[in-house]
Amino acid sequence: EPEVTQTPSHQVTQMGQEVILRCVPISNHLYFYWYRQILGQKVEFLVSFYNNEISEKSEIFDDQFSVERPDGSNFTLKIRSTKLEDSAMYFCASRDRGVGGELFFGEGSRLTVL
Amino acid sequence: QKEVEQDPGPLSVPEGAIVSLNCTYSNSAFQYFMWYRQYSRKGPELLMYTYSSGNKEDGRFTAQVDKSSKYISLFIRDSQPSDSATYLCAMIDTGFQKLVFGTGTRLLVSP
Repeated sequence: EPEVTQTPSHQVTQMGQEVILRCVPISNHLYFYWYRQILGQKVEFLVSFYNNEISEKSEIFDDQFSVERPDGSNFTLKIRSTKLEDSAMYFCASRDRGVGGELFFGEGSRLTVL
Repeated sequence: QKEVEQDPGPLSVPEGAIVSLNCTYSNSAFQYFMWYRQYSRKGPELLMYTYSSGNKEDGRFTAQVDKSSKYISLFIRDSQPSDSATYLCAMIDTGFQKLVFGTGTRLLVSP
């Protein structure tokens, strides 16, 4: 069964360092998302991406965050200068169409900022 | 008022019980409703997906949407210990840009 894959599964970094989280969405999907979940809290929307551009972003997604689809298969989230409060699970998700498409999530990348 | 409200639980039931999980929402533009299951430190796994009001059944799971009351439910019949997880309701409007999640209800099914 097709699935969304994410790497790394866990990354530990020092505050102020840059981090790139990688995702391979399901191959025929066109819409891509990043969500995050701070431990014990709800899953929060960060950004949606379609047709090589951001279609919507939340207030969490500030100038420290960026997304990119560098090739036909990968979708990345970059955090330029990590803060302690960036520690969370980051989930990538994708869907195949604009209306009525189910959203499928990856297993997540756990980011720990020290 | 939060967009989506969900009781965090935990909800503890014995094996074989019927489980009812619920969410309320405030945004009348929500048209698509989903239930996800999340095991600890894992990604959300899509369980049920419904459009507008009505019922949908899949095996032991039934999803119910009442748009007039802005209320959705997930029923689990013959609950199993393996059903122990956090259940997240999620919904999206016709603009379909972002999925909005509830806080999740932690379910514990004891043998």
